[in-house]
Parts: sequence; C-alpha cells; structure tokens
Amino acid sequence: DTEVTQTPKHLVMGMTNKKSLKCEQHMGHRAMYWYKQKAKKPPELMFVYSYEKLSINESVPSRFSPECPNSSLLNLHLHALQPEDSALYLCASSQVVSDTEAFFGQGTRLTVV
Amino acid sequence: AQSVTQLDSHVSVSEGTPVLLRCNYSSSYSPSLFWYVQHPNKGLQLLLKYTSAATLVKGINGFEAEFKKSETSFHLTKPSAHMSDAAEYFCVVSAYFGNEKLTFGTGTRLTIIP
Repeated sequence: DTEVTQTPKHLVMGMTNKKSLKCEQHMGHRAMYWYKQKAKKPPELMFVYSYEKLSINESVPSRFSPECPNSSLLNLHLHALQPEDSALYLCASSQVVSDTEAFFGQGTRLTVV
Repeated sequence: AQSVTQLDSHVSVSEGTPVLLRCNYSSSYSPSLFWYVQHPNKGLQLLLKYTSAATLVKGINGFEAEFKKSETSFHLTKPSAHMSDAAEYFCVVSAYFGNEKLTFGTGTRLTIIP
C-alpha cells in the first residue's frame, strides 16, 4: 500500500464553521506534512510532523490547527476561516523527515464562503 | 540554501512529438531531484527521482530526466507526447539540512495539441 488517503475530497464551509481534514497512510512513514496549494501555484508547506510531534510550523495562522493522534493519521482542524483560505490542501508522508521522497495524497478542495 | 527554476511556464506540443520541460536547480549540498505531475484537481504523482545514483533516470509513462551537475539542470523529456500527458509538472529539489523541506519550482503547464 503506497497510498496517502485524504478525506473529504471536497469541502464547502462557512466562515463561522469548524471542520476537519483527515489524512491517513499505512506505509509506516513517521513524517507527515500539510501543504496548501492555490490555483496555478506550487504547493506551500504549512506543517511538518516527525514521530507524531510538530516539527515545523511555517508561520501558519492559528485558525489552522494540526493534530497527529498516531503514526498513521494526520488531521487539520479548521475554524473561522477566510475566503482567501480556499485552496487545495495536500497531505504528504515520507519514511522520516530526512528521507527526500514524499508521497502525496489527492488533496481536499476547500471552499470558504 | 536551495532553489529551483522551471524555465517555461507553458509548453505546447503536438501529439506524437517529443516533450522537453526544463529545470535548473541550485543547492549547497548534493541534492535529490524530483519531477511530479499534477492533473487538474488532483494531487501530485511522482514521475521520477534522482538520488545520486545513475544520472539518467527513467520514470513512469515513458518520461526520463538527465541530471547534469555541470549545467545544474534536470530536464524532463519524453520521446512521443500523448494526450493524457496534458498536466502541470513540478520540478522539486530536496536536501536535508535539518530544516526539512521540498523546494518546488513554479510549475510548467503542458498542453498537447491533437
């Protein structure tokens, strides 16, 4: 199994809503990542988890709250988002953070209304 | 520090003709280099990777890339384009400094003309 699975595939939420994105991998990887991708742009790194601990936070606003409950699962909790937060959110994983190859999920297309 | 430059934001080729997508990189260390493909509204799929073994790397779907250290290039090629190759392509450089990051190029949109 070389897949990174993200749910939901699409999400529409209001600015006062609370929602969560989920990412799962069963490759035994111990590094997991959240990226944000705006239209016609490359992905931008948001967070890195290493062995279930937050390793990097790229100065992401607190309305985005990551969580890594176990080595297979990564969540991104969303609260009080703005319309400009609408984007494709990609999850990725790698064996460890020093492993240079990352496997990406299909993404969650988020629209904030 | 590291960076990657994709020299063309948009490339159009006719079906059945060769594809060349250009990428130059800069890295203070021996880098690993990747090409990813992204079809519309999809995630990223790894096409191929270079990790200091053979300089000519073969990937999926008939793509290959050659690592040229003297030219700091990692261009992606395919002998004969197919309609299904139409997508966005990202060249990515990675080197582990203890600040673990993949550095993405700005992408090249490949259009295939029937």
